[in-house]
Amino acid sequence: DIQMTQSPSSLSASVGDRVTIACRASQSISSFLNWYQQKLGKAPKLLIHKASNLQSGVPSRFSGSGSGTDFILTISSLQPEDAATYYCQQSYSTPFTFGPGTKVDFK
Amino acid sequence: QVQMVESGGGVVQPGRSLRLSCAASGFIFSSYTLHWVRQAPGKGLEWVALITYDGGNKYYADSVKGRFTVSRDSSKNTFYVQMNSLRTEDTAVYFCARGLEVAATFCGLDVWGRGTTVTVSS
Repeated sequence: DIQMTQSPSSLSASVGDRVTIACRASQSISSFLNWYQQKLGKAPKLLIHKASNLQSGVPSRFSGSGSGTDFILTISSLQPEDAATYYCQQSYSTPFTFGPGTKVDFK
Repeated sequence: QVQMVESGGGVVQPGRSLRLSCAASGFIFSSYTLHWVRQAPGKGLEWVALITYDGGNKYYADSVKGRFTVSRDSSKNTFYVQMNSLRTEDTAVYFCARGLEVAATFCGLDVWGRGTTVTVSS
C-alpha cells in the first residue's frame, strides 16, 4: 500500500499569510494527488484534484503543485474561513490512502 | 441538486452486522464510481472501499477486507456497505462519496454525504 505523509501536522498563521502544506507519497503516484479541506463536524471538500487542478467553485487563493512523490498545497492569502484540517489523498492505486492531515488555525 | 445522503448508522455490539445505505440524487448514478470513507472520533480520514461505476469491480482497505461488502442498486440510486463481524475499531462516522470523473476510478472524490455514525460497543 502507498503511505502518505504530511507536514507540518499543524500550523498557526495570520490573516493574509501565505501558507504551504507538504504531502509525500511512499512511491511515485504521478499526478494522482487530491487535496481536501475539512471543517469541524463537516464532510471533506475537494479543493484540488490531479495535483494542480482547482475544483470548480474553490477560491483561486488555493493552488497545488508537484508530481511523483512530493506535492504542495498553497494558500496564497489565508482567510478566516480557511481554518480547517487539510488532507492529501492518492488516487493512483487502491487503497486510496489519505495523509494524516494538517490543522490550520490562527495566531 | 447533486447530493448523497447516508443512513443506517447506530449502536451495535462487537461481532454483529450493520448495513449502511447512501441515497444519491441529481446525477446519473450509473456513471460514477462510489466510495465509503470513515473517520474515527478525533482521527483522520480512512478510505474504506469503492465500487466502480458499472459495479464490475470492488476494492477494499485491508482493515475491512473479508468483513465489508459494497454494492449498488441503480434502480434505487442507492449504494450500500454491508458490515459484518464488526469490531470496536470500526467505530466512526461513515461518509459516502462520488468519484469526480464519469466512468473513471482513479480520481478525487467531489460529492460527499454528511455522514452516518456507527458505534461498536458492548
